[in-house]
Order: sequence, then structure tokens, then C-alpha cells
Amino acid sequence: GENVEQHPSTLSVQEGDSAVIKCTYSDSASNYFPWYKQELGKRPQLIIDIRSNVGEKKDQRIAVTLNKTAKHFSLHITETQPEDSAVYFCAASKGQAGTALIFGKGTTLSVSS
Amino acid sequence: SQTIHQWPATLVQPVGSPLSLECTVEGTSNPNLYWYRQAAGRGLQLLFYSVGIGQISSEVPQNLSASRPQDRQFILSSKKLLLSDSGFYLCAWRRQGETQYFGPGTRLLVL
Repeated sequence: GENVEQHPSTLSVQEGDSAVIKCTYSDSASNYFPWYKQELGKRPQLIIDIRSNVGEKKDQRIAVTLNKTAKHFSLHITETQPEDSAVYFCAASKGQAGTALIFGKGTTLSVSS
Repeated sequence: SQTIHQWPATLVQPVGSPLSLECTVEGTSNPNLYWYRQAAGRGLQLLFYSVGIGQISSEVPQNLSASRPQDRQFILSSKKLLLSDSGFYLCAWRRQGETQYFGPGTRLLVL
């Protein structure tokens, strides 16, 4: 089955710096790659996603890139703010009916002001 | 719009007691439903998923079970809880190929 590796497990940056989180997946048939943000005690919330027919997607300060050949995808956050502090999860899945999202182990991002 | 509910929100149970957690989805039909568990400070472990009524796929062998008695209802159960069952249980729904949404979760503490 699918396996998703996520790095780093923790990341500390200064406010205004950029943050990059990287994930690799094992199943070349996976074609959907979302990123979730989980604040302390809350449910994970989708922040951005990308499908395998696209190499890059941006939404304001957040961007995701996908390299299908290398089977890795990355989350980029620019101009970080203290409210970006949270745990971020990447995930991967195939398009077939019923297939589940398989998540990485998460990255704890701390943004200090 | 779609809404997903979970209850109870928190639960404290003794070791060896039974468990029943419920998840319901509103505003959609034929959703794919999922149960995840998150241990303290850890990642999201997929436990079960269901593509339809009575159809359950188990990802991790353990003392938990799941059932889907109705299209928009998903239940997680155990006959005898273990200490290691403590965690944050998240139900999620998804239409094929679309965004997955999580419920608010149930925080379970087994003592």
C-alpha cells in the first residue's frame, strides 16, 4: 500500500521567513496530494491540494509543488506569521472509489516573532 | 452545505469497558467514510473506511471494529478497551476524488 514520508518533524522559523515541508510517496498510482493544518486540540483543516496533472499551485502565501517522477511534493509558506504555527500533514491517495488518504507523520511548525 | 458530527466530544472510560463512537454526515449522499486515530502528539492513523452501507475495510488489526448501518452513519466500537486505545478519534468523509473533511473528533482517555 501507499506510504508517505514527511520531513522535517519539527521546524522553527522567524516571523517573515519562509518554511518548506517535504513529503515523498511510494505508490506511483497516487494522484491527489492535499495538505492539512491542525491547530492544537482542533481537527485537521485542508489548506491546499494538488492533483497529478499539475506541477505547482499557489494560494496567497502558500504554494505546493509536485514532482511525479521523483514522487515527492512540497509545501512552501512565505512570509510566515505566528498564526502559521501548527502541525502540518501531507497526504496522498489514488482516485479509485473508496481509497483513503494516507498521511505523513506531520511537521510541527513554530513561528517566533 | 455538508456537515459532519461526532459524539461524544470527550470520553473517559476504564480499561476493559466497551466503546461506541458515532459519526454522522449531513448534506451529502453516498459518502466515503473514514475513522482515524491520533495518539497524543502523533500522526493520523487510518483505522477503517467504508464506501457504502455494510461495507467496512480494516486497515489495522486491533480490538476495534466499525459498522455503517446507514448511508451517513459510521460507528466505531470496542468490546474491551485497552490503555493504548486512548487518543483523538477523527471521523472523515469524502466524495470520490474530492476533498476530505474531518469531524470535530472525540477525545478518548482510557484509565
